[in-house]
Amino acid sequence: GAGVSQSPRYKVAKRGQDVALRCDPISGHVSLFWYQQALGQGPEFLTYFQNEAQLDKSGLPSDRFFAERPEGSVSTLKIQRTQQEDSAVYLCASCPGHSGNTIYFGEGSWLTVV
Amino acid sequence: GENVEQHPSTLSVQEGDSAVIKCTYSDSASNYFPWYKQELGKRPQLIIDIRSNVGEKKDQRIAVTLNKTAKHFSLHITETQPEDSAVYFCAASRGSTLGRLYFGRGTQLTVWP
Repeated sequence: GAGVSQSPRYKVAKRGQDVALRCDPISGHVSLFWYQQALGQGPEFLTYFQNEAQLDKSGLPSDRFFAERPEGSVSTLKIQRTQQEDSAVYLCASCPGHSGNTIYFGEGSWLTVV
Repeated sequence: GENVEQHPSTLSVQEGDSAVIKCTYSDSASNYFPWYKQELGKRPQLIIDIRSNVGEKKDQRIAVTLNKTAKHFSLHITETQPEDSAVYFCAASRGSTLGRLYFGRGTQLTVWP
């Protein structure tokens, strides 16, 4: 595709519900990142994949958050038992993977937990 | 970990004036410093970046300067236009973990016609 694609763009979940957010990176991009952006804040790192390997998940805020990229392309961020503080924009980004490459962001998935 | 501070949080300028946004960082190992522009509801878009072996970089009306000794870097926009209005984020990362960016809290720039 032309850019990083995310779905759904908007999601309203009731507290306690599970949600799954999908990211389609730019074709051929080795590295994939998830960020969380709260209203009025800068993006905060959640996790990083190189191909299918999750190399860094130190930014995931709790064990309710889980990410996978089983075939090294599409990635899914899953949030279990959502809470109000999970309300944020979840941004996916990808880059070719070599040092010095630009990181491209998707439009984000806006999650509101009510 | 890295801590990036960004100032000011809001900035209003008249069309044609210059705008300057400043960031400081804490990790001396950081060596990549991108700036992103984010319009409301849109994705962050890279507008310029600088690496630690360069002190200044310019692209048309946009320039970035880096002072590694003082651990600060700045974005300069000259001849501002209303379409420059957006939130601007600075970020820092180590080259070995290029995609793990540490962002500032953003600057809301408003350019009045």
